[in-house]
Amino acid sequence: DTGVSQDPRHKITKRGQNVTFRCDPISEHNRLYWYRQTLGQGPEFLTYFQNEAQLEKSRLLSDRFSAERPKGSFSTLEIQRTEQGDSAMYLCASSLWQGATGNQPQHFGDGTRLSIL
Amino acid sequence: GDSVTQMEGPVTLSEEAFLTINCTYTATGYPSLFWYVQYPGEGLQLLLKATKADDKGSNKGFEATYRKETTSFHLEKGSVQVSDSAVYFCALSPYNFNKFYFGSGTKLNVKP
Repeated sequence: DTGVSQDPRHKITKRGQNVTFRCDPISEHNRLYWYRQTLGQGPEFLTYFQNEAQLEKSRLLSDRFSAERPKGSFSTLEIQRTEQGDSAMYLCASSLWQGATGNQPQHFGDGTRLSIL
Repeated sequence: GDSVTQMEGPVTLSEEAFLTINCTYTATGYPSLFWYVQYPGEGLQLLLKATKADDKGSNKGFEATYRKETTSFHLEKGSVQVSDSAVYFCALSPYNFNKFYFGSGTKLNVKP
């Protein structure tokens, strides 16, 4: 179990630029989640995948945000035309869904901290 | 909708003091409940969980009991250490386990 890894750890960019983050989940996990965490707050759900299918998106995920998990393994989160309000920690988590027996706890990566200048 | 409310921090304690961090929830059905801990600059780590009423989750000296009658899942530890200083998040996951709802976190500072 190598854990959930996220890249990069930090990203500083100018307003209006596009950014892309990557998440590599625990290899046997079939569910992958993206959260956003702002200072002093708990993580807020953005979206999640089961294998390669994106099953739910939060209303927080505006049209400028897009997430993919093309082969059911790693995932990318892209933010287009970044705004000041996008500054936050973006957390990825993964878990194993086993149907009727329910979900195992989510395992989190260390996050990507995005700063918009 | 589903939500979690936890006590505001920071909570400052001396080493070996007793810790309680309150957490209450609102949910339909029968959610699972979790406590996560976040150390500076790191992601969240699962501390303990409980999946049904009256279950007690425990780990590293921390405990929390799933109380359906009071919709609570308070975190307790009998004797805190300096190394327990971190932010603690209470979370719930609805029965279908699609996503987690987190509280706003409680920062714990333990002084020697």
